[in-house]
Amino acid sequence: AQTVTQSQPEMSVQEAETVTLSCTYDTSESNYYLFWYKQPPSRQMILVIRQEAYKQQNATENRFSVNFQKAAKSFSLKISDSQLGDTAMYFCAFMKRGNNNDMRFGAGTRLTVKP
Amino acid sequence: GAVVSQHPSRVICKSGTSVKIECRSLDFQATTMFWYRQFPKQSLMLMATSNEGSKATYEQGVEKDKFLINHASLTLSTLTVTSAHPEDSSFYICSAVILGTRATNQPQHFGDGTRLSIL
Repeated sequence: AQTVTQSQPEMSVQEAETVTLSCTYDTSESNYYLFWYKQPPSRQMILVIRQEAYKQQNATENRFSVNFQKAAKSFSLKISDSQLGDTAMYFCAFMKRGNNNDMRFGAGTRLTVKP
Repeated sequence: GAVVSQHPSRVICKSGTSVKIECRSLDFQATTMFWYRQFPKQSLMLMATSNEGSKATYEQGVEKDKFLINHASLTLSTLTVTSAHPEDSSFYICSAVILGTRATNQPQHFGDGTRLSIL
């Protein structure tokens, strides 16, 4: 079974600064996908960024980027130029490459961006 | 694109009532839909995987007779909490995967969730 661990229950960052959220996972699979989802107070789950395990290049989406270390099974999210609207719960998720698109989520990190 | 509508957004009802939650994919057909439960300040816990035209696959520890799932069409899955009790109070979220994207890296698209409160 796959497990996803987010070791930081809560984090805070000053507006305009950079913050990194950690995620590690455990799997015996070689083909899989990793995702970061954001859940603001509205509770809507919003996809932030995704990474294919077979790609060595780290994914980036505007102010969001990841540091994917496959050997270490680590998948951290870096948020640059933090904005107040980035305040949310962030969930790391693992999906085995297969035919059911089943996702497993970490416990989440609550990020607060301070003005 | 890839909008998932979940209804109702909030339900308050008496103990013993059965409650139905709908999950619809509005602009795509969904091969598979997922139902999650989320307790306050906790992560999403997968309850079951719903496939159109077949029985849902329930996670270990989830009572299939308690949480009835029906996936009658490629755009609609329903979760019925039967004879609900206060311990069933929670936030329930559905998600859907676009038809034809199995075995790819397509993520799940989430509904806005349903807050269920049983008095």
